[in-house]
Amino acid sequence: QVQLQESGPGLVKPSETLSLTCAVSGYSINTGYYWGWIRQPPGKGLEWIGSIYHSGSTYYNPSLKSRVTISVDTSKNLFSLKLTSVAAADTAVYYCARTSGSYSRYYFDYWGQGTLVTVSS
Amino acid sequence: SYELTQPPSVSVSPGQTATITCSGDKLGDKYASWYQQKAGQSPVLVISEDNKRPSGIPERFSGSNSGNTATLTISGTQAVDEADYYCQACDSSTVVFGGGTKLTVL
Repeated sequence: QVQLQESGPGLVKPSETLSLTCAVSGYSINTGYYWGWIRQPPGKGLEWIGSIYHSGSTYYNPSLKSRVTISVDTSKNLFSLKLTSVAAADTAVYYCARTSGSYSRYYFDYWGQGTLVTVSS
Repeated sequence: SYELTQPPSVSVSPGQTATITCSGDKLGDKYASWYQQKAGQSPVLVISEDNKRPSGIPERFSGSNSGNTATLTISGTQAVDEADYYCQACDSSTVVFGGGTKLTVL
């Protein structure tokens, strides 16, 4: 059974960098699939941040692209998110998820439990 | 940028059929997926690629997609189906979610 677990600071100061890690168990990232990050501000809907392949190939949400970096560490079977210059609007529950399907048919079949990140001084 | 539009809320009586729509320009030319999210929980995939039901999802969940509208249908709705539902599609390499629909089972 594929399991994903997010980890990282729950509080980040404005203008600083948000860093999260997603540890994957039950499946080797090296085998395939894209792996993605999605966030959800309190009381609001889902927003895709970006996805990465085990080779390092990435796709980002155009609205966040200038501030986002997603990387993968196949030796540790995890992938990571960095979001720079955060503001209060970046406060959200951040989910990691496995991205299944093929090009233009992607969907998310396994999700982590989510981690709340609050941006505040 | 591509947008998906869902009604904010839908109400249904137990045992009846719930229909949740998702609208987008030429959405029928793309593939729509649907997620169920209960309060305080992570989203769960209930329909992928227009009409594929993942293992473990009850048969009462079904999907269709044509023209500008994708539809999630829940037949014989149960109280346990009360949740927020999100549609999702891809526009080239960009993933887009709808705004979500709160399903209330009265």
